[in-house]
Amino acid sequence: EPEVTQTPSHQVTQMGQEVILRCVPISNHLYFYWYRQILGQKVEFLVSFYNNEISEKSEIFDDQFSVERPDGSNFTLKIRSTKLEDSAMYFCASRQFSSPLHFGNGTRLTVT
Amino acid sequence: DQQVKQNSPSLSVQEGRISILNCDYTNSMFDYFLWYKKYPAEGPTFLISISSIKDKNEDGRFTVFLNKSAKHLSLHIVPSQPGDSAVYFCAATYNTNAGKSTFGDGTTLTVKP
Repeated sequence: EPEVTQTPSHQVTQMGQEVILRCVPISNHLYFYWYRQILGQKVEFLVSFYNNEISEKSEIFDDQFSVERPDGSNFTLKIRSTKLEDSAMYFCASRQFSSPLHFGNGTRLTVT
Repeated sequence: DQQVKQNSPSLSVQEGRISILNCDYTNSMFDYFLWYKKYPAEGPTFLISISSIKDKNEDGRFTVFLNKSAKHLSLHIVPSQPGDSAVYFCAATYNTNAGKSTFGDGTTLTVKP
């Protein structure tokens, strides 16, 4: 069964550094998402992406965050200047029209 | 503003018995509800969904019930199996847009052999 893959599984970075989290969505999916889960808290929507542009974003997704689909397969989340409170599990997800989300296994981001 | 709430952080049941996981929501605009299951070190996996035009949806051992007037839904697992032990998230969305979902806090289900 096709799956969403995320790399790396764990990323450690220092406060103020830039990080890029990578995702390869399922190949025939058209809608792409990033969610995050701070330890012990709920899974939160960050951003949705369709037709090469952001379709919706949450208030969490401020100017420090950006997303890109640089080629036909990858979907990336960039955090320009990381803060301690950005430490979380970041989940990439994709879906076809009217289908549920298919999540990757996440990248654990630790900001020190 | 917690629009989707799962008031039980954990639930423990005996193998073979019924597991009932509950979820409440406050936003009356929600019209599509989903349950996801999550194992440690993995992402959430879709389990079952229900549209607001229905009050019940069944898929094998899993049944979701929706009570719109009470803004309440529940997931029933019968019979429960040890492999069902996981965190279960209720999620809600509107315009049947399953992409931007609002998740509950999750309920950790433990099924004892």
